[in-house]
Amino acid sequence: AQTVTQSQPEMSVQEAETVTLSCTYDTSENNYYLFWYKQPPSRQMILVIRQEAYKQQNATENRFSVNFQKAAKSFSLKISDSQLGDTAMYFCAFNSNTGNQFYFGTGTSLTVIP
Amino acid sequence: DSGVTQTPKHLITATGQRVTLRCSPRSGDLSVYWYQQSLDQGLQFLIQYYNGEERAKGNILERFSAQQFPDLHSELNLSSLELGDSALYFCASSVNGAYNEQFFGPGTRLTVL
Repeated sequence: AQTVTQSQPEMSVQEAETVTLSCTYDTSENNYYLFWYKQPPSRQMILVIRQEAYKQQNATENRFSVNFQKAAKSFSLKISDSQLGDTAMYFCAFNSNTGNQFYFGTGTSLTVIP
Repeated sequence: DSGVTQTPKHLITATGQRVTLRCSPRSGDLSVYWYQQSLDQGLQFLIQYYNGEERAKGNILERFSAQQFPDLHSELNLSSLELGDSALYFCASSVNGAYNEQFFGPGTRLTVL
């Protein structure tokens, strides 16, 4: 069974600094997809970034980038130039190419300090 | 706005009662997922439907059931409600349920008193 682990329940970062959120996963499949979702205090779930396992190049979306290490089954999220609006819960998620279920980690609560 | 709508936004009811949560997916999306998020907890996958058929089942209680209708909207039925069922219930949709990202609705906050 697939599992997703986020080992950092809470993190904080100074505004304008860079922070990295960790995520590891376990799967026996070769083709799969990884996602980072953000849940601000409004509780709305928002997709931040996604990565296809068959792509070696790390995905980037503006200030958000990932460090995807397939062999290590690691998928970390880097937020550059942190902004107050980045304060949220961040969830890592996994979906296989053959499966139908998304697996979510337990989340990391990020606070950006002014 | 994700394009996924959920009604009602808030629901307050008593133990033992039954409620129905409704979800309309994004236009063109065939898959609908239901999740439960209790206070300060992660997302628990409940069930997935694809084009009207159940495709995957997660940690869904026997007191809960769901269905997806021909117009692709979905309903989650919760019966014999208990205090512990109080949570935020999310619906999400995706194109085909495989590798596409899910788009989440705003959620329905259920409070069982």
